[in-house]
Amino acid sequence: QQQVKQSPQSLIVQKGGISIINCAYENTAFDYFPWYQQFPGKGPALLIAIRPDVSEKKEGRFTISFNKSAKQFSLHIMDSQPGDSATYFCAAGSGSGYSTLTFGKGTMLLVSP
Amino acid sequence: KAGVTQTPRYLIKTRGQQVTLSCSPISGHRSVSWYQQTPGQGLQFLFEYFSETQRNKGNFPGRFSGRQFSNSRSEMNVSTLELGDSALYLCASSSGAGGPSTDTQYFGPGTRLTVL
Repeated sequence: QQQVKQSPQSLIVQKGGISIINCAYENTAFDYFPWYQQFPGKGPALLIAIRPDVSEKKEGRFTISFNKSAKQFSLHIMDSQPGDSATYFCAAGSGSGYSTLTFGKGTMLLVSP
Repeated sequence: KAGVTQTPRYLIKTRGQQVTLSCSPISGHRSVSWYQQTPGQGLQFLFEYFSETQRNKGNFPGRFSGRQFSNSRSEMNVSTLELGDSALYLCASSSGAGGPSTDTQYFGPGTRLTVL
């Protein structure tokens, strides 16, 4: 049972455009939603995270939007740059183990110059 | 502060063999989690160790096991290797203190295991 569904699988965006990646979860016990960025040959690195008590969190060009009633959250990358080309994973965690995240299957983002 | 280190980075084994992977967490971190990453299944949680005790376990067969030492370093063992075990094995460390802001997971570069 896939508890976190991520879409799209891949995404091509022109430089300067907005990249949008969506995730949906099923387990209402989840209360921590991080996004990770992974470059080839590297491990995932935390990009930004949100708790369900806020509907939006922004850090630089990266914004998470969160809809608790719909059990959905999304990552928006504004002014996308070629250096943003990577695989992005959404994840979810709960009080039963924030060190045991449930990940989406990833989105491979390519930002064309 | 040094990051999470994993050894070896690459490993080739044949079916039926066993393998041991090692992970050294960030200094001061007491929790180590292991994940399996494959193109088809993405990142799947294997298990978490905290203060030398397995605290959480994912849905993997008993062939996958681990342990943690008093210095928080962790090892993962896979016995009777199968072709389907070919994957990138990632280890992540965190403080393990129990809160989302303090339990941020920092990943190592992974060990690429190929089973022939």
